[in-house]
Amino acid sequence: DTAVSQTPKYLVTQMGNDKSIKCEQNLGHDTMYWYKQDSKKFLKIMFSYNNKELIINETVPNRFSPKSPDKAHLNLHINSLELGDSAVYFCASSQGTGVETQYFGPGTRLLVL
Amino acid sequence: GDSVTQMEGPVTLSEEAFLTINCTYTATGYPSLFWYVQYPGEGLQLLLKATKADDKGSNKGFEATYRKETTSFHLEKGSVQVSDSAVYFCALTGTNAGKSTFGDGTTLTVKP
Repeated sequence: DTAVSQTPKYLVTQMGNDKSIKCEQNLGHDTMYWYKQDSKKFLKIMFSYNNKELIINETVPNRFSPKSPDKAHLNLHINSLELGDSAVYFCASSQGTGVETQYFGPGTRLLVL
Repeated sequence: GDSVTQMEGPVTLSEEAFLTINCTYTATGYPSLFWYVQYPGEGLQLLLKATKADDKGSNKGFEATYRKETTSFHLEKGSVQVSDSAVYFCALTGTNAGKSTFGDGTTLTVKP
């Protein structure tokens, strides 16, 4: 059973389009995250939700909008895609908001042309 | 704010060589420290962690000791294998609940 799953795995799209990435975890965790990893492997947190409430919102363009319909799902919608949005986006989850281990999904590789 | 500084890569070693990847941190309070590993084409997975000073985390032959006096959490392995080739991330979770800070990652390549 996949603990943290993301769809799609690959996403190739044109500049200006709107796209969504979905994430689901079956670990019963309360907290979920979105990270962006660039081509140099640098990893930056974008958002975090705890029990469907936004608790971390880093400096991210407002073209990015997360949505958590329930504790097990955290989706990421991106409007008006730009070339610089090309990256690998990772979803992760943890039991709480303290020092727990984070469990990562396999990533969504987004390429904006 | 919190920060993590990792040894720059890439690191290339021969099989059975000794590995050290340095990691130092800056944080308020008493953070927990982690090493995550990312194999090619995959997401990150926890390698080991330590939650208080002088704790040693260990897994799969890797070890790291939480050194508060030097604010360090260096990763070591006595004898690396080709299968250890991956990107290694040092991270901390501090007093800003739910937010982890990651280092820039160190790419390790082990040659047979």
